Amino acid sequence: KQEVTQIPAALSVPEGENLVLNCSFTDSAIYNLQWFRQDPGKGLTSLLLIQSSQREQTSGRLNASLDKSSGRSTLYIAASQPGDSATYLCAVRLSGGTSYGKLTFGQGTILTVHP
Amino acid sequence: DGGITQSPKYLFRKEGQNVTLSCEQNLNHDAMYWYRQDPGQGLRLIYYSQIVNDFQKGDIAEGYSVSREKKESFPLTVTSAQKNPTAFYLCASSPNVGYEQYFGPGTRLTVT
Repeated sequence: KQEVTQIPAALSVPEGENLVLNCSFTDSAIYNLQWFRQDPGKGLTSLLLIQSSQREQTSGRLNASLDKSSGRSTLYIAASQPGDSATYLCAVRLSGGTSYGKLTFGQGTILTVHP
Repeated sequence: DGGITQSPKYLFRKEGQNVTLSCEQNLNHDAMYWYRQDPGQGLRLIYYSQIVNDFQKGDIAEGYSVSREKKESFPLTVTSAQKNPTAFYLCASSPNVGYEQYFGPGTRLTVT
């Protein structure tokens, strides 16, 4: 059974810092990995999707990497801003079998960026 | 505007009553999903549907039921058999299973 773990559970940084959020997964047979952002009481917003054949994806100040063999992904946020404060979730999608297409989520990292 | 709508945003029910949560999408997506989110536990898959008139159980389907009569709609019924129904419920859709999922704003259900 796929298990996804995110470290740290919470992170507080001053504005302007670069930071890294970590995601690890137990089954390396993944189809892709997706990073989401969730604001309090809201739905999820997709940030980046990395296919299993890719090593990284970039969008603006965000960069996500994937090391499938070691079961790890990182989300790098450059020059953090107070508006980045939210919960960040990673989710993996297995590549085949009866679990194909189903997302397994980590518990999230609560990020606070203070001015 | 294209997107996924869920209604209502907040829902209150008495224990023992069934309740139906609405999810509609106008993205022309084939696949739709229901997740439950509890504090500190991330999201867990309840049911998903790859196509009209077809749906599959997810990891925590007990006490829930769904239907998929139209491509745009995937309502979730929380039955009285669900032991801990109070939670935040999220609906999602994707062009097909395996593709990027897009989420609705969620419905917070409180059962007392």
